[in-house]
Amino acid sequence: DAKTTQPPSMDCAEGRAANLPCNHSTISGNEYVYWYRQIHSQGPQYIIHGLKNNETNEMASLIITEDRKSSTLILPHATLRDTAVYYCIVRVVQGAQKLVFGQGTRLTINP
Amino acid sequence: DTAVSQTPKYLVTQMGNDKSIKCEQNLGHDTMYWYKQDSKKFLKIMFSYNNKELIINETVPNRFSPKSPDKAHLNLHINSLELGDSAVYFCASSQTGQGANVLTFGAGSRLTVL
Repeated sequence: DAKTTQPPSMDCAEGRAANLPCNHSTISGNEYVYWYRQIHSQGPQYIIHGLKNNETNEMASLIITEDRKSSTLILPHATLRDTAVYYCIVRVVQGAQKLVFGQGTRLTINP
Repeated sequence: DTAVSQTPKYLVTQMGNDKSIKCEQNLGHDTMYWYKQDSKKFLKIMFSYNNKELIINETVPNRFSPKSPDKAHLNLHINSLELGDSAVYFCASSQTGQGANVLTFGAGSRLTVL
């Protein structure tokens, strides 16, 4: 699986958009970009995934650059409950999901 | 509720003991996993079963023995517990072969070995 690089921490004001970047310059053509988050003392939670087109769901938006070497997760109106560690993972969609969780980005939403 | 449920949530035990953590999913998924999160918060896969068949077995001491009686259950038995086994263990499941194949995780089982 391609390696990903994320900033270790970020802060965002409540109600503002939180933009979390991820670099994955060695991504292969059949690898998807997945985002999970882990709120303190809970299990990781799936947020969104995409291959090359931008994606949006009820939780977030995912913007993938045209060359697919980086992506940005956008939480449009961050709330205090969005404080968590966010993981960007690159993976093929087939087969058992041997996810490699890096250090992630610790996002703190401030009131 | 549809979910991945683990028991117990907390487990405190002495070195050398044997303990088990149970996991059940009612999502109809065909693949289940055990992940370990250590004190440094890194999350690593240990095992994965697909339809009761072991398909991923990372470099885990053979004191750890997963057992899958059916595709809805994956239990983790640990023999001769050591201090370094203290961690949070997460069970997860996914449906391979179709769709996004995303993992649904349980709430975790915190094991403390004294």
